[in-house]
Amino acid sequence: QVQLQESGPGLVKPSQTLSLTCTVSGDSIRTGNYYWNWIRQPAGKGLEWIGRIYPSGSTNYNPSLRGRVTISVDTSNNQFSLTLTSVTAADTAVYYCARSDYGGDFPFVFDYWGQGTLVTVS
Amino acid sequence: DIEMTQSPSSLSASVGDRVTITCRASQSISNHLSWYQQKRGKAPKLLIYGASTLHSGVPARFSGSGSGTDFTLTITSLQPEDFATYHCQQSYSIPLFGQGTRLEIK
Repeated sequence: QVQLQESGPGLVKPSQTLSLTCTVSGDSIRTGNYYWNWIRQPAGKGLEWIGRIYPSGSTNYNPSLRGRVTISVDTSNNQFSLTLTSVTAADTAVYYCARSDYGGDFPFVFDYWGQGTLVTVS
Repeated sequence: DIEMTQSPSSLSASVGDRVTITCRASQSISNHLSWYQQKRGKAPKLLIYGASTLHSGVPARFSGSGSGTDFTLTITSLQPEDFATYHCQQSYSIPLFGQGTRLEIK
């Protein structure tokens, strides 16, 4: 059974950088069968896709965040990470990591999610 | 950009009821539509993808239909564990979620 677990600081000051890591167990990122995604959800609001990474390091980002977001992968530790710069209160949200299929008909279907971690910008 | 409009934003129903939630895209997304269930304080869970394909392990009382711009999620014979928030999501282009429908006990 695949499991994803987010980790990182729960409090970040405005204008600083948010950094989170997702550790994957029960599956190897290196196999190349999946993309690895970050998604966030402000309190009481809808979900927003942030971006994704393939084990090769290839990335895609939501244009609304482009310029501030970087996603990286560490296949040796079976982890991938999110960095978001110049944060403001609007970046306060629960951040989720999630898996999506590679090479199938539906590459943006998120079938496994982490439990989520709340990051507050204040 | 493709916009997703989900309705209603909330509804009340009783155990055993049949409920339908609608999701409309601002332009055709073929069948690139997924549905997720989210319980309070938990991560979303995939229910349906490809507009109508049930994800592994999801009970058959959940079904999805639609194509193009109009989609529906139907839950027949509501169970107590079904009271949650439901999100639609288009995967035709940059992934975009609807604003969610909160299903509450009447």
